[in-house]
Amino acid sequence: LAKTTQPISMDSYEGQEVNITCSHNNIATNDYITWYQQFPSQGPRFIIQGYKTKVTNEVASLFIPADRKSSTLSLPRVSLSDTAVYYCLVGEDSTLGRLYFGRGTQLTVWP
Amino acid sequence: DSGVTQTPKHLITATGQRVTLRCSPRSGDLSVYWYQQSLDQGLQFLIQYYNGEERAKGNILERFSAQQFPDLHSELNLSSLELGDSALYFCASSVDRDRGHNEQFFGPGTRLTVL
Repeated sequence: LAKTTQPISMDSYEGQEVNITCSHNNIATNDYITWYQQFPSQGPRFIIQGYKTKVTNEVASLFIPADRKSSTLSLPRVSLSDTAVYYCLVGEDSTLGRLYFGRGTQLTVWP
Repeated sequence: DSGVTQTPKHLITATGQRVTLRCSPRSGDLSVYWYQQSLDQGLQFLIQYYNGEERAKGNILERFSAQQFPDLHSELNLSSLELGDSALYFCASSVDRDRGHNEQFFGPGTRLTVL
């Protein structure tokens, strides 16, 4: 699985857009990019997954440039409840399910 | 609610003891994963089972073992417990897809405290 690098922490205010960038220089051709969210004392929760360009769902957008060596998770108009740790994962695990979560990015949203 | 259940929610025991953590996956999910999360190590993958068979192994100690039963529930056995084994233990399940990442659904976790 490709190793990822993301900021340890980020701060934002309610109503702002937050962009968390993840670097994955060694991404392989078959790798997908996936983001999870984790609240304290809870298990991680899947947010979004993409392979290239842009993916959007009801909670976030994922931007992936053409070289796929990085990706950006975009959270529109964050609220206090978005305070959590966000993990970026890269891999293709349809046959091998283990994940390398790393330390993630602690996002703190202030009122 | 992810649909994954774990019991017990909390477990307090002493060093040297043995405990069993239980996980029931979402209905229809064949894969079960176990993770350990401690403050100093972050979220660590331990082991994966698929339809009763071990599929992948991560940073699982020899003192730990797991199995998945025919009804697909799984148990994680931790023996000769040490203080450093105190952590949150998560179970997750997923369906297997042909491509991409298999979205994992995590249970609420079991908090183990070793005194």
